[in-house]
Amino acid sequence: AQTVTQSQPEMSVQEAETVTLSCTYDTSESDYYLFWYKQPPSRQMILVIRQEAYKQQNATENRFSVNFQKAAKSFSLKISDSQLGDAAMYFCAQGAQKLVFGQGTRLTINP
Amino acid sequence: GAVVSQHPSRVICKSGTSVKIECRSLDFQATTMFWYRQFPKKSLMLMATSNEGSKATYEQGVEKDKFLINHASLTLSTLTVTSAHPEDSSFYICSAMGGAGGPHEQFFGPGTRLTVL
Repeated sequence: AQTVTQSQPEMSVQEAETVTLSCTYDTSESDYYLFWYKQPPSRQMILVIRQEAYKQQNATENRFSVNFQKAAKSFSLKISDSQLGDAAMYFCAQGAQKLVFGQGTRLTINP
Repeated sequence: GAVVSQHPSRVICKSGTSVKIECRSLDFQATTMFWYRQFPKKSLMLMATSNEGSKATYEQGVEKDKFLINHASLTLSTLTVTSAHPEDSSFYICSAMGGAGGPHEQFFGPGTRLTVL
């Protein structure tokens, strides 16, 4: 069975600092994708970044980057230069079609 | 773009009635749509996968007769909660695949908050 675990229910960071959110997963699939989604108070799910499992290079999107360790089944998200607008729930997800989501990490940005 | 809408955004109904929630892909044809349920302060749990013109595939533990899913066209999927009860109160989110963006990317609707009295 596929599982996704986010061990940090809550995280906080000072504005302009860097924060890393952790995610581990387990799957028997050989071809899959990993995602980080952001869910602000509006509840709209917003894709932050995606990683193809067959790619060794870590994905990067502006201030957001991942550390993908395939052998360890680890997929952490680093947010650099944190901004107040980054405050939200962050969900890690894994799958090829059907997605399995982690429990979420609530990120607070302190001004 | 790849915009997905849901209607209604909020609905309140009486126990025992049925409620229909619509999920539309506005600017692309969605080959596959998914329905999720999210409890307060919890994660998203996949309820079912629907493909246009075929029966939905339900996840284990999801009652097919209670949560009826119809994917009649490439831009519309509906979720009907039949004989709703207070325990069905939740936030329901749909997503669709097939829009602009990478393969296997799902585009999410804004969600529907269902309250059953």
